Amino acid sequence: EAGVVQSPRYKIIEKKQPVAFWCNPISGHNTLYWYRQNLGQGPELLIRYENEEAVDDSQLPKDRFSAERLKGVDSTLKIQPAELGDSAVYLCASSFARYNEQFFGPGTRLTVL
Amino acid sequence: DQQVKQNSPSLSVQEGRISILNCDYTNSMFDYFLWYKKYPAEGPTFLISISSIKDKNEDGRFTVFLNKSAKHLSLHIVPSQPGDSAVYFCAAKDTGNQFYFGTGTSLTVIP
Repeated sequence: EAGVVQSPRYKIIEKKQPVAFWCNPISGHNTLYWYRQNLGQGPELLIRYENEEAVDDSQLPKDRFSAERLKGVDSTLKIQPAELGDSAVYLCASSFARYNEQFFGPGTRLTVL
Repeated sequence: DQQVKQNSPSLSVQEGRISILNCDYTNSMFDYFLWYKKYPAEGPTFLISISSIKDKNEDGRFTVFLNKSAKHLSLHIVPSQPGDSAVYFCAAKDTGNQFYFGTGTSLTVIP
């Protein structure tokens, strides 16, 4: 069974540029999470989807971050414009709604110069 | 404010001995707890979990203990192996299905 797929794995951009991350969850998983992990910290939730619906986006900086999950499968997370403080690893995870275990992708390491 | 805390950033253990990783939490409404293991350049992988209605869960060399009165969680690895060297994250789920992660403990198992 394929795991959670994320791309790109690494991205280096200059500040004020836009950037987008893509996530393909495990087949059949209806819950999808985007996390941000800063160096030396644990993952922090940005947004959670139940199928197509964003059910928890309270931690998403909506002035520059946006996300979508069309058709309840793949998801994209966008930052526009990126700031220096956005440098982090962006993790996508998925799960069955009624189960508690999340499965994480490898993450996208973003460096903003 | 950090609701899940791992106060030990690192731990070194001799191969074959017990590794004990600790985690404290503040929210009494957490109903499920998990441990994840993370290797460099990979995402966290699920290791073991425990419901708040239990005080112990065992899976092979890994045992998780929950002390609800102390709001304390621990992961025991016996015997420790060099392949266990990784960063371990404690996580807790609230009744709204939101997950909170600790800052991680880097375990080094010395051959």
